[in-house]
Amino acid sequence: AQSVTQLDSHVSVSEGTPVLLRCNYSSSYSPSLFWYVQHPNKGLQLLLKYTSAATLVKGINGFEAEFKKSETSFHLTKPSAHMSDAAEYFCVVLVGGYNKLIFGAGTRLAVHP
Amino acid sequence: DVKVTQSSRYLVKRTGEKVFLECVQDMDHENMFWYRQDPGLGLRLIYFSYDVKMKEKGDIPEGYSVSREKKERFSLILESASTNQTSMYLCASSSALDGILSRTNNANEQFFGPGTRLTVL
Repeated sequence: AQSVTQLDSHVSVSEGTPVLLRCNYSSSYSPSLFWYVQHPNKGLQLLLKYTSAATLVKGINGFEAEFKKSETSFHLTKPSAHMSDAAEYFCVVLVGGYNKLIFGAGTRLAVHP
Repeated sequence: DVKVTQSSRYLVKRTGEKVFLECVQDMDHENMFWYRQDPGLGLRLIYFSYDVKMKEKGDIPEGYSVSREKKERFSLILESASTNQTSMYLCASSSALDGILSRTNNANEQFFGPGTRLTVL
C-alpha cells in the first residue's frame, strides 16, 4: 500500500535560515508526490509536484523538493525562511486512479525573528 | 480564478441531527472529494466522485454519505451526527486524469475549499 510519513510534527527555524521538512514515502512503483501548504484560516495550496520528469522540483515561494528513489524520500527545502512561511505543510502521494491522494500527518513550521 | 466554495465556515450541530455540507466548484472539474482534517492525522478521504451521480468510498466513509446531482456540486451528509464527527471538513476538486491509471504520472492538482469547521455537541 502507498503511504507517506512526515518525520517531524513541528519544525522551528529562525528567519533567514534554511528550512528542511522531511518526508518518506512507500510505494510499489514510481509515485506521484506533492507538497501542499496550509496557512492559518486559509485553504490548502499546492507548493509543488513530482511526476517523474525531473528529480529536483521547484515550487512556489522559493521552495523545492528532491525525489530520491534510493532513500524513498521527498524532502522539502528552502534556503532562507521568511516569516510568511509559517504554516502547516503536507506531503502527499497519489494512489490508484481518479486522482486520489493520501496525506501525511503534516509538519507545522514556525518561523521566529 | 479557480474557486471551490463551501457553504459554511463554522457549523454547530447537536448529536443525532442530520447535517449537510455543500461544496461548489466553478472549474467544470470531473472529480470532487471530501476530506476531514484532524490534528496529527492530516487529511483523510471520506468519499469522492468522478462523475455526476457516481461516488466511491474513501478511507473513512462510515457515518457519512454523499450526493452529486450536478457536476459543480458535491454534498456531504452526516445522517446522524455524533461527537466524534467534530472536525474540519475540506472539499476539493480536480480535472480528470488523462488515463485511468495513476501510473501515467500526469496527476492533476486538487483545488481545495476553505473548509467547514463542524462542532457536534
